[in-house]
Amino acid sequence: QSALTQPPSASGSPGQSVTISCTGTSSDIGGYNYVSWYQQHPGKAPKLMIYEVSKRPSGVPDRFSGSKSGNTASLTVSGLQAEDEADYYCSSYAGSNNYVFGTGTKVTAL
Amino acid sequence: EVQLVESGGGLIQPGGSLRLSCAASGFTVSSNYMSWVRQAPGKGLEWVSVFYTGGTMNYADSVKGRFTISRDNSKNTLYLQMSSLRAEDTAVYYCARGRPGHYYDYWGQGTLVTVSS
Repeated sequence: QSALTQPPSASGSPGQSVTISCTGTSSDIGGYNYVSWYQQHPGKAPKLMIYEVSKRPSGVPDRFSGSKSGNTASLTVSGLQAEDEADYYCSSYAGSNNYVFGTGTKVTAL
Repeated sequence: EVQLVESGGGLIQPGGSLRLSCAASGFTVSSNYMSWVRQAPGKGLEWVSVFYTGGTMNYADSVKGRFTISRDNSKNTLYLQMSSLRAEDTAVYYCARGRPGHYYDYWGQGTLVTVSS
């Protein structure tokens, strides 16, 4: 149950796009289309942003999008806004009733 | 409105036990799978345990044999019984509602557990 690998940080100017990668294995990301992404502001609970690789819950802006290729999933924030500054975590189902989260990425709007 | 409210956290000595509660409202716990997820201070999220609707449970290797997840349908509440606590169990513990696509759509505000002498 090793954590999925994410870059520690990512940044972009307001209005630019930022993409965060999330690398796992064929036993988690590569084996299932059950990747989800969560946004967490300091001192707050995580908030669901993307589920089942690329689906967006109601209320999440369409500037957030997700994708997957092989054992790597990605979250893209298009048109970065100041309120998008937060920590982002990916998660995947890992089979046999197990789940795994990513190491987390701090997104900064320059 | 869906709400999850955790309670039961606090300061506990190494080797001690603690029971966390997660009171749900706006939905039925027994009709959804539920999980506990923790976050050590300044660290990332770590999945801890899951309780499926049919009663199947599972745990992360780091807590297996020490933690027990359960639910009380009459109280619409999820629990996490923690024993043989270690310093590395210090974290904010969140409960979350799981959905069929293996994601969590609602989270509680978390309860802090500090294991220290």
